Amino acid sequence: DTGVSQNPRHKITKRGQNVTFRCDPISEHNRLYWYRQTLGQGPEFLTYFQNEAQLEKSRLLSDRFSAERPKGSFSTLEIQRTEQGDSAMYLCASSPGLAGVEAQYFGPGTRLLVL
Amino acid sequence: AQSVTQLGSHVSVSEGALVLLRCNYSSSVPPYLFWYVQYPNQGLQLLLKYTSAATLVKGINGFEAEFKKSETSFHLTKPSAHMSDAAEYFCAVSDRGSQGNLIFGKGTKLSVKP
Repeated sequence: DTGVSQNPRHKITKRGQNVTFRCDPISEHNRLYWYRQTLGQGPEFLTYFQNEAQLEKSRLLSDRFSAERPKGSFSTLEIQRTEQGDSAMYLCASSPGLAGVEAQYFGPGTRLLVL
Repeated sequence: AQSVTQLGSHVSVSEGALVLLRCNYSSSVPPYLFWYVQYPNQGLQLLLKYTSAATLVKGINGFEAEFKKSETSFHLTKPSAHMSDAAEYFCAVSDRGSQGNLIFGKGTKLSVKP
């Protein structure tokens, strides 16, 4: 069990550019979550996958955001036409997905700065 | 809708003193409750979780929390603070009816003075 990994750890981009983040969950974890955390706030839920199916999306996830988990393993989160308000820490978490509500295990996050 | 309120954005204690971090929740059904800790520039680490078994939950690093339904509280305690406990602590709630996405409080930053 190597834990949840995220890449890159840091990303600086210019407004209007597209960015993509990757998350590798704990091996054999079926559920994968994306959260966003801004300075001084707790994480806010963005979206959730059960295997490859995206089952829930927050209204925070505007049409500029898209997430995929094509083979039910790693996931990508893409932000198109980035805005300064997108600057935040993007956190990925996974859980076994065996039954009910489970503890989620978080990765180290990707810190995005939009200039 | 579920929500979590953490009282006190910043708590400071002396090394060896009691740590008490407060969390109150709002949920229409009995909730699952979690405490996470976040060290600078790192992700969140699970400290403990309440899932309707024992109301007193023991976690890692000597932390524990007590679920009190009558007070809608889930406060985090540690008898004796250590310098390494300095971090930000988040309380979170997950509605049993949801797919498990967590709703977090704004966090409490714990400082430990020597």
